[in-house]
Amino acid sequence: EIVLTQSPTTMAASPGEKVTLTCRASSSVSYMHWYQQKSGASPKLWIYDTSNRASGVPNRFSGSGSGTSYSLTISSMETEDAATYYCQQWSSNPPTFGSGTKLEIK
Amino acid sequence: EVQLVESGGGLVQPGRSLKLSCVASGFTFSNYGMNWIRQAPGKGLEWVAYISSGSSYIYYAETVKGRFTISRDNAKNTLYLQMTSLRSEDTALYYCARLRTFDYWGQGVMVTVSS
Repeated sequence: EIVLTQSPTTMAASPGEKVTLTCRASSSVSYMHWYQQKSGASPKLWIYDTSNRASGVPNRFSGSGSGTSYSLTISSMETEDAATYYCQQWSSNPPTFGSGTKLEIK
Repeated sequence: EVQLVESGGGLVQPGRSLKLSCVASGFTFSNYGMNWIRQAPGKGLEWVAYISSGSSYIYYAETVKGRFTISRDNAKNTLYLQMTSLRSEDTALYYCARLRTFDYWGQGVMVTVSS
């Protein structure tokens, strides 16, 4: 099973600040997906296939990476971006999720 | 509009069974693989099971293999999860999600295993 390690576990950012969340895989994966989950809501696909924004996702969000290291970047933090973000892989069975990064507004 | 609506959750005693349903609408259900994913209270996401569009391929997490059964009825646009020998650690919010990309999720249904 591929273990995904997200960092940081929790962070706070000020409006306008650039934010980078990272996800490291225990073995090489071909791509990474990212999900946003707000409190009390279902997760939403946010970034798929490493770098593609899902429908409706603002272009301040971007994804990048390869092999065992992936990241999600917010170019300029906004209040509405406060949420927990999970990375996920299905390059090999079973599909696995990272433990999440809780992003708060400062 | 894609919609996934789960039902069938509740409070159940350890060792008992429960069957969840997920009714799909807004897309051609029979063309899509589907998943069950769960989230224990205050915890992260855990994939549970996958079934391909025609039920030819079925995969389970090791934590539920032999106890849970995923199935679907394409005529009824419905996905199922039969859960047996339930344990306290199965307590979670259970989501159905579409495709291997989990591009759409339901609102979730709560399963509580407790005596």
